[in-house]
Amino acid sequence: NAGVTQTPKFQVLKTGQSMTLQCAQDMNHNSMYWYRQDPGMGLRLIYYSASEGTTDKGEVPNGYNVSRLNKREFSLRLESAAPSQTSVYFCASSEHQQETQYFGPGTRLLVL
Amino acid sequence: KQEVTQIPAALSVPEGENLVLNCSFTDSAIYNLQWFRQDPGKGLTSLLLIQSSQREQTSGRLNASLDKSSGRSTLYIAASQPGDSATYLCAVSTSGTYKYIFGTGTRLKVLA
Repeated sequence: NAGVTQTPKFQVLKTGQSMTLQCAQDMNHNSMYWYRQDPGMGLRLIYYSASEGTTDKGEVPNGYNVSRLNKREFSLRLESAAPSQTSVYFCASSEHQQETQYFGPGTRLLVL
Repeated sequence: KQEVTQIPAALSVPEGENLVLNCSFTDSAIYNLQWFRQDPGKGLTSLLLIQSSQREQTSGRLNASLDKSSGRSTLYIAASQPGDSATYLCAVSTSGTYKYIFGTGTRLKVLA
């Protein structure tokens, strides 16, 4: 089992460009999450999907959109990247909400 | 609004020492609490999950305790080893929100 995989591992964007971060899990989990991690701020929830077909806003959703493509895949889209979105992005999944979360290796995003 | 604090931010100990990491939270109406480990440049790995009805959980040399009334959790690491060097984060799920709030972590260095 690969667990939770994320692509790309690293990306550099110019302000205003768009991109999609991909996440997939092979554990048949129902719930999936997108977090960002910034120095001194801890991890903050951007969006989550409690189950296939549903998505909800987290703590810092502005500037992002998500798609739960199927049970395995949960993507995060930046429509018009801003320097404030420079961060490390983590995808996670759990069998159900509020259960043990399994994290991917992260995507490092730099917006110039 | 739930806030999670971890003090100290960094800790260095000699190999073999028993140590305690602290996590405090402001809203005692929690559903569960998780402790994670994060190695530099990597994702998070779940170590222990404590349900709100539990007082402690153990896994190998790790023991996590929970005192909801005082808003505190501790992670006890017995006989520390250099391989335990990492950042340890706690995350709290508040009843009714189904979201985890993370602390900023304690960076642990175990010296050989």
